[in-house]
Amino acid sequence: AQTVTQSQPEMSVQEAETVTLSCTYDTSESDYYLFWYKQPPSRQMILVIRQEAYKQQNATENRFSVNFQKAAKSFSLKISDSQLGDAAMYFCAYRSAQGGSEKLVFGKGTKLTVNP
Amino acid sequence: NAGVTQTPKFRVLKTGQSMTLLCAQDMNHEYMYWYRQDPGMGLRLIHYSVGEGTTAKGEVPDGYNVSRLKKQNFLLGLESAAPSQTSVYFCASSPRVLQGNYGYTFGSGTRLTVV
Repeated sequence: AQTVTQSQPEMSVQEAETVTLSCTYDTSESDYYLFWYKQPPSRQMILVIRQEAYKQQNATENRFSVNFQKAAKSFSLKISDSQLGDAAMYFCAYRSAQGGSEKLVFGKGTKLTVNP
Repeated sequence: NAGVTQTPKFRVLKTGQSMTLLCAQDMNHEYMYWYRQDPGMGLRLIHYSVGEGTTAKGEVPDGYNVSRLKKQNFLLGLESAAPSQTSVYFCASSPRVLQGNYGYTFGSGTRLTVV
């Protein structure tokens, strides 16, 4: 079974600075998807960014980018120019690309605090 | 477009009571999921369904049952609630083929407290 590990339970960053959240995963599959979700205090799960394993190019969405290292099974999230609204729980998630395995497997999350 | 709607949003149960959480989606998604979220544990899959009339166990299925009699609805039942089932429950849905924004849509969650 696939597992996702987020080794940083909590992180903090100063407003306007850059922070990187770590995620590693364990799988024997070669084709899969990786996601970062944001959960603010409202509890809503918001998709931040996703990456297909077959793509070598790292995904980018505005101030959010990933560093995808397939061989190392690492998928970190970089938040640039941090804003107060970025404060939230961040979850890394894995999904197999194989049919019949469309489950999202989540890490335990990283709580990000943004200091003004 | 309502997306995924969960009812109720909050509930307090006494130990031993039963209840059903309802999840409804209006996106014609084939797949539906129930997760629970506990502090420091992330989201863990309880049960899921890949189509009307089919269900399967996830990572933490004990103490829960599910039914998917209609494609748009996925019910999560607690037959005899226990304090260990105090949690926030999330429903999610996705299409069979992921495309575009990869289709996982989450409900807003149900906070359940068992006393």
